[in-house]
Amino acid sequence: TQLLEQSPQFLSIQEGENLTVYCNSSSVFSSLQWYRQEPGEGPVLLVTVVTGGEVKKLKRLTFQFGDARKDSSLHITAAQPGDTGLYLCAGSNFGNEKLTFGTGTRLTIIP
Amino acid sequence: DAGITQSPRHKVTETGTPVTLRCHQTENHRYMYWYRQDPGHGLRLIHYSYGVKDTDKGEVSDGYSVSRSKTEDFLLTLESATSSQTSVYFCAISRQGKTDTQYFGPGTRLTVL
Repeated sequence: TQLLEQSPQFLSIQEGENLTVYCNSSSVFSSLQWYRQEPGEGPVLLVTVVTGGEVKKLKRLTFQFGDARKDSSLHITAAQPGDTGLYLCAGSNFGNEKLTFGTGTRLTIIP
Repeated sequence: DAGITQSPRHKVTETGTPVTLRCHQTENHRYMYWYRQDPGHGLRLIHYSYGVKDTDKGEVSDGYSVSRSKTEDFLLTLESATSSQTSVYFCAISRQGKTDTQYFGPGTRLTVL
C-alpha cells in the first residue's frame, strides 16, 4: 500500500502570515492532486500536478510537485480566514484508476 | 456543483443490522467511488466502479459490498454493521478516472451502536 504522509497534521496561524504544508511518500506517483475540504462537505479539487518539478499557482496558493514525483508542497501567502479547512493531497498510481489520499493537514487561520 | 447526492445523510443503526447507502449522479460519469473518512486516516477507498456492473475493491473493502446496475446509481452495503464501520462515507465520481477530477458528494454520517 502506497502511503502519503502530510505535515503538519494541524496548523493554526494568524491572518496575513505565510505557511507551507507538505505531502511526502516513498513511492513515485504519476500525478498528484490537492483538495480542500470544509466542515460538513466533501473535498473539492484545487489543482492537479503531473510533471516532476511542476509549479502551479492559484491566486495566493502555490503548489509544487517534487522532481522525483514522490512529494509535493502547498504554500499559502498572506493567509486569510477563508483558507481555513482540511487540505488533502492525493496521488495517482501508474496503471490503475485509484487515488491514494494523504492523512490531511487541518489549517485554521485566526482573524 | 456536480450533481451528486447521497442518501441518507445521517443514519444511526445497531450492530449486526444491514445498511445500504446510496449515491446518485446526474453527470453520466463513468467512474464512481466510495470512501470512508476517519480522523487520522484521511480518505480511504472502499470500492469503486468503472462502469455498469464493473466494480473493484479498494484498500478497506472487508465488510462492504457494492452494486452498480445503472450508470447513475452506486450502492454501498454493509451486510452486518459493526462499530468499527462508524464513519463518514463519501461518494465520488469522475469522468475518466486516474488523474481526472473527482467530484465528491456531501457525505453520509453513519453511527453503529
